[in-house]
Amino acid sequence: AQSVAQPEDQVNVAEGNPLTVKCTYSVSGNPYLFWYVQYPNRGLQFLLKYITGDNLVKGSYGFEAEFNKSQTSFHLKKPSALVSDSALYFCAVRDTKAAGNKLTFGGGTRVLVKP
Amino acid sequence: NAGVTQTPKFQVLKTGQSMTLQCAQDMNHEYMSWYRQDPGMGLRLIHYSVGAGITDQGEVPNGYNVSRSTTEDFPLRLLSAAPSQTSVYFCASSNPRTGLMNTGELFFGEGSRLTVL
Repeated sequence: AQSVAQPEDQVNVAEGNPLTVKCTYSVSGNPYLFWYVQYPNRGLQFLLKYITGDNLVKGSYGFEAEFNKSQTSFHLKKPSALVSDSALYFCAVRDTKAAGNKLTFGGGTRVLVKP
Repeated sequence: NAGVTQTPKFQVLKTGQSMTLQCAQDMNHEYMSWYRQDPGMGLRLIHYSVGAGITDQGEVPNGYNVSRSTTEDFPLRLLSAAPSQTSVYFCASSNPRTGLMNTGELFFGEGSRLTVL
């Protein structure tokens, strides 16, 4: 079975400082990994994905994530956070050995960027 | 191109009532799914469909029914609402066949907030 863990319920960071949101996963095959963001009263929006290739992937709004197979992690990063980055962030995994297109989501991490 | 459209956005039910949450997508996506979002629990998969006429259970299917008579629509039915079904429901779709990597990231609707009294 596939699973995702986001160990932090909330991350607080000052505007302009680096932002990191942690994610670890468990799959039986190879993972497809995703980050989504949810703004208040909205649906989830796709940020970025790792499928294969370069371990550092770049996505929307200046976000990037690093795939680390040995640590089974896929942490989301942004070099300089903005107040507008305050939102709920979800990591998700798809096991390439699993049928269909089922994504398993982590519990979410709320990011609060203070001016 | 509206994407994924969910109706209603808000609904209050009494215990035992039934209702249907509607979901429609105009992207010709084969894959559609329903998730519920509860605080601290992330999103949990209720039911999904890989194409018209095909549905399957997800992680938390009890108390919910789905059907997929067309590619565009994927309604979620609550047969006899219970307070434990108070949640925010999201419909999401993707096209697993597109793209070289066949990754099929999900496109989400804006959610339906359901309260069961």
